[in-house]
Amino acid sequence: EDKVVQSPLSLVVHEGDTVTLNCSYEVTNFRSLLWYKQEKKAPTFLFMLTSSGIEKKSGRLSSILDKKELFSILNITATQTGDSAVYLCAVVPTSGTYKYIFGTGTRLKVLA
Amino acid sequence: EPEVTQTPSHQVTQMGQEVILRCVPISNHLYFYWYRQILGQKVEFLVSFYNNEISEKSEIFDDQFSVERPDGSNFTLKIRSTKLEDSAMYFCASSETTKQFFGPGTRLTVL
Repeated sequence: EDKVVQSPLSLVVHEGDTVTLNCSYEVTNFRSLLWYKQEKKAPTFLFMLTSSGIEKKSGRLSSILDKKELFSILNITATQTGDSAVYLCAVVPTSGTYKYIFGTGTRLKVLA
Repeated sequence: EPEVTQTPSHQVTQMGQEVILRCVPISNHLYFYWYRQILGQKVEFLVSFYNNEISEKSEIFDDQFSVERPDGSNFTLKIRSTKLEDSAMYFCASSETTKQFFGPGTRLTVL
């Protein structure tokens, strides 16, 4: 059965800290891995990763994929209170349509 | 920037009633999806829709559920005879390919 596991489940840090969120997966016929940020309601897109070893960056956020070890990390440097959210990892298999298999998410709280 | 919209934002219904959740996907997208998130649990795939038919569905998506694209813009999820365990946030999403755009969700409460 396809599975996505995120760790930690929750994290509390202070502004300015750096955090690393983990996502490991077991999926038959991997297509892509995506990271989303979920604040109040709709998950919003952060990154899509398809190839190993290529870091994606957007401001203070970055992410990388390891297809050999079957995991990805999401790094946030110099955290701000606005980074407080649930971060979702989703994996897309090649079979079928582009359905997402989500992990449980990591709830990040950044204290001022 | 185009976005996915959903109505209503919150729906309260009695057990056994039928509900219809509505979504307007992004206009040039070809794939449409419904997911649900029970409080405190992970987001779960329900169904995907392409070329006016269901392309994939999960085990959760049983005969109680149906989807429809009644016109060129709306995409609906119907739940017949709702149960208490159907209480959840329901997200609609659309995509051209892999990257999906999510709507704000409809919170369904079944009493």
